Amino acid sequence: ELKVEQNPLFLSMQEGKNYTIYCNYSTTSDRLYWYRQDPGKSLESLFVLLSNGAVKQEGRLMASLDTKARLSTLHITAAVHDLSATYFCAVGGRGTSGSRLTFGEGTQLTVNP
Amino acid sequence: GAGVSQSPSNKVTEKGKDVELRCDPISGHTALYWYRQSLGQGLEFLIYFQGNSAPDKSGLPSDRFSAERTGGSVSTLTIQRTQQEDSAVYLCASSWALGDTQYFGPGTRLTVL
Repeated sequence: ELKVEQNPLFLSMQEGKNYTIYCNYSTTSDRLYWYRQDPGKSLESLFVLLSNGAVKQEGRLMASLDTKARLSTLHITAAVHDLSATYFCAVGGRGTSGSRLTFGEGTQLTVNP
Repeated sequence: GAGVSQSPSNKVTEKGKDVELRCDPISGHTALYWYRQSLGQGLEFLIYFQGNSAPDKSGLPSDRFSAERTGGSVSTLTIQRTQQEDSAVYLCASSWALGDTQYFGPGTRLTVL
């Protein structure tokens, strides 16, 4: 059974600081996703990572994937208040089960002025 | 273009009643997914459709839950004889094809009294 763990689950940081959210998963997977969720809203797709060593960047967020370590990171650079949200990583299984996503618990990020 | 839409946005029902939740995927998306999000369980996969077929129903919590998709488009998730533990936000997502990035709708918040 595929398990996905994120840490930290809660992160409070000041504007301008850097931090990293970690996502570990238990079995080999073809793809890893990062989503953002604002309170009371749905999930917004941020990144999809498909291969070992993949790195994607959008604004102050950068995601990377190490399939050998079964680890993805979401790095936040010079945080701003607008980044406050809950961030989920999600892993697709292999083969036909690849269509179902298994989500981490989510990291609730609060960026304080 | 239009995103995934779901209706109703909120549904309050009494224990034992049946409910139907509707999802309209992004036009042209062949794959459709249902998840639910609750405080205790996080984000859980329920079922996915490829066209009108549901190859993987293993995520449905019990036989009170069923889903169908018609015309390769709209999907309905039905919960019979609702229980309080069914209270959650039910999220629908769609993708161009199986394994592609899933785009989520706003969700239906179900409250069972």
